[in-house]
Amino acid sequence: EADIYQTPRYLVIGTGKKITLECSQTMGHDKMYWYQQDPGMELHLIHYSYGVNSTEKGDLSSESTVSRIRTEHFPLTLESARPSHTSQYLCASSNMQTGSGETQYFGPGTRLLVL
Amino acid sequence: SQQGEEDPQALSIQEGENATMNCSYKTSINNLQWYRQNSGRGLVHLILIRSNEREKHSGRLRVTLDTSKKSSSLLITASRAADTASYFCATDRYGGSQGNLIFGKGTKLSVKP
Repeated sequence: EADIYQTPRYLVIGTGKKITLECSQTMGHDKMYWYQQDPGMELHLIHYSYGVNSTEKGDLSSESTVSRIRTEHFPLTLESARPSHTSQYLCASSNMQTGSGETQYFGPGTRLLVL
Repeated sequence: SQQGEEDPQALSIQEGENATMNCSYKTSINNLQWYRQNSGRGLVHLILIRSNEREKHSGRLRVTLDTSKKSSSLLITASRAADTASYFCATDRYGGSQGNLIFGKGTKLSVKP
């Protein structure tokens, strides 16, 4: 099991609410990622970060935002949740400073349901 | 745009049989990886094969890569019920952001005891 944690694991929330999905890793990895995955479908990269104070948009346009104030922490925020945001959100990290930087380590995911 | 595409989408076999999954991709790559995802969980890295390698083994896993055909296969030998999961191939993007991966839709494997 990778040392990367996500909370909450499940979240049911009403439309218009602001939510923050937490992701923390204790491996000292520099690069972190957020993916969105609908059931039975592929993962889509929505945000990534090279390190502290770095945030980049991924391939899939997302209304969420991220921040990277500490190396180990990469939270994702939705200012106003909508039913279209219902999905599973997966956080991952990798160590780009070593030769195995291509391997990503995933958290258990957060299943979000917006009513 | 989608890079990796697995085939078949779903596979059901009996315990002890071998399972073969295929992945095709579109652009040049530096490496290709396979990941496993148990239902409702995150992904777990299984194996990485580089573009200059043709075959790689890890325990009951055997991965092949054919860069001329832009395809890879994952073979799980002597499957077990615990192998039931979805399997995804992932490719990097040659010349793209280092470390970013593109995942296929996955093959859902069911191993019946």
